[in-house]
Parts: sequence; C-alpha cells; structure tokens
Amino acid sequence: NAGVTQTPKFRVLKTGQSMTLLCAQDMNHEYMYWYRQDPGMGLRLIHYSVGEGTTAKGEVPDGYNVSRLKKQNFLLGLESAAPSQTSVYFCASRVKPRDIYEQYFGPGTRLTVT
Amino acid sequence: TQLLEQSPQFLSIQEGENLTVYCNSSSVFSSLQWYRQEPGEGPVLLVTVVTGGEVKKLKRLTFQFGDARKDSSLHITAAQPGDTGLYLCAGASAGGTSYGKLTFGQGTILTVHP
Repeated sequence: NAGVTQTPKFRVLKTGQSMTLLCAQDMNHEYMYWYRQDPGMGLRLIHYSVGEGTTAKGEVPDGYNVSRLKKQNFLLGLESAAPSQTSVYFCASRVKPRDIYEQYFGPGTRLTVT
Repeated sequence: TQLLEQSPQFLSIQEGENLTVYCNSSSVFSSLQWYRQEPGEGPVLLVTVVTGGEVKKLKRLTFQFGDARKDSSLHITAAQPGDTGLYLCAGASAGGTSYGKLTFGQGTILTVHP
C-alpha cells in the first residue's frame, strides 16, 4: 500500500516549457487535490477533483490545468512555465468528505523554472 | 475568502522549553486540523478538533479549539529535538459544496536545539 505517490520528485524547466506532474493514490479515495507550497505562505489549493472525470478550480488556478481520467490518478499540467511557478507541489487525497477525515499527502515535487 | 493567520512564523528554542503556536481567523470552521511536515516530505495529520472548546492531548502536545471555532492553539511541553519541523494548521468548512477543501495557515517552523 503505497498511499499517495508523485512523479517526478524534482524538475527544472526553462520559461515557456511544458510539463505534467502525476499523482497516484491506491486508497480508492474519491477526492484529490493539488497544492503549491511557497515559503511563508503555507499550502495553497490549485485545483481539485471530487471524482473521476470532474475537476474544479481552487485558490490559485491560473497557469495550470488538470485532468482526472482515472479515479486513482490526478494530473497537473503547466502549458507554458513561468518563474513564478517555481514551487513545491503536493498532491493529496481523501475519502468523500466528512469533515473529520484527513487528507493524505504525497512527498511533493520540487519544480524550478529558470 | 477564509484566512488563517498562524503565529509565530519561526520558533527556535532549547530542549526542555515549552512553546505555543497560534492559529486565528475571523471565520468559523467546522473543524480544524494540525499537520506536521518534515523536510522533503508531505504534511502528516497530527490531530483534528471538531467541537468548540475541545482539548486533545497527544503525548506532550496539547491542541485546543476555540469556543467560537475561529481559533486554535498547539502547545508543546518539554520540547525535544525530534519535535523539529513545520507545523501547519488547516481549517475545514462545513457544507456540501466545501468538498473537503482546507484553508491552511502560513506554517510555523520549529527548531529545538539539544
């Protein structure tokens, strides 16, 4: 039982390049989330999904797209990377909400855009 | 937009000292969670508080939810070097459209020196 996994762990991009971050969970969770973490700003929600085939915008969605074609996978795409997207990206999942249930986080992807 | 103000942002103490981290908001949350994050890893849930005035203890850690469910605190007694890490509070909103989304505080970086 691997929990939540993220690939890649590290990536360096040049401005304007594109890439996709993959999140996979093996806990059969309905809900999945993508966050970015920047110093002094906690975690900010980028996009989330409440089930296969559905996605919605979070707090900071600009410059990102997502897809959830399979229940266990949640992809985050950057079509044209910018230096402002340098950050650590975390994926999380949880069961259908009852408020007391926790989010399970992956180990993160450290992205640098030069 | 709900905000959670977490303080202090940095805390550097000696082993054996006590400390308190605060999490405050002008908004009401249905529950509040505290996570701990170590370098290179994702956040891991420590506790969830649900009821106003609730106090939970986890060994040397004491968590409190304010009576009005707008604030919370984390108190560590006799801190140890193993407590070093980033502590994050996160509030959950009630309602069917919340989709389990969390609002995170900025985080507190705790360093406990031997």
